[in-house]
Amino acid sequence: SFDLTQPSSVSVSPGQTARITCSGDVLAKKYARWFQQKPGQAPVLVIYKDNERPSGIPARFSGFSSGTTVTLTISGAQVEDEGDYYCYCAADNIWVFGGGTKLTVL
Amino acid sequence: QVQLVQSGAEVRKPGASVKLSCTASGYTFTTYAMHWVRQAPGQGLEWMGWINAGNGNTKYSQKFQGRVTITRDTSASTAYMELSSLRSEDTAVYYCARGDEGMPVAYWGQGTLVTVSS
Repeated sequence: SFDLTQPSSVSVSPGQTARITCSGDVLAKKYARWFQQKPGQAPVLVIYKDNERPSGIPARFSGFSSGTTVTLTISGAQVEDEGDYYCYCAADNIWVFGGGTKLTVL
Repeated sequence: QVQLVQSGAEVRKPGASVKLSCTASGYTFTTYAMHWVRQAPGQGLEWMGWINAGNGNTKYSQKFQGRVTITRDTSASTAYMELSSLRSEDTAVYYCARGDEGMPVAYWGQGTLVTVSS
């Protein structure tokens, strides 16, 4: 099976840069996506293909991939960016999710 | 616009089964896979399996193999997920999600809460 490892929590002050990592051997061969999820809501895609940003996602969200680790960066994090962030990739027709990172901005 | 609309909340007793639906609109249903993902209270996202909406082929997570069945009705543009032998740990919100890998979009249903309690 494939495993993706994320830190359980990240905390920053408003305006600071938040970085959330996701590690797993499969990431050396497959693209990662990142989802943001707020309480009671379905996940929202914020990054796809490691570093591409869907339309409507603020430019402060970016992604970077190096070897077996991908990183979601939120430059100048805002209070509204608080939530849970999940990395995920698709490999061998299986979806694999990281355990999720709770981002606190305060 | 693409929409995935899921059926309403369900309550089941342990040992029972539940069958959830996910009705798609705004695109050609048979062109994309449909995945099912669940989220237990306070927990992360957990992939359960998927169906090729075109030919009906399925693949399931090993964790749910033998308990989950995903089907579809192309005439109704609807995918179904049935989970059997329910236990309290199956209490979760269940999402359907279109197979949009590699695309700049991700369409998910609104989620269905399944509560398993005696």
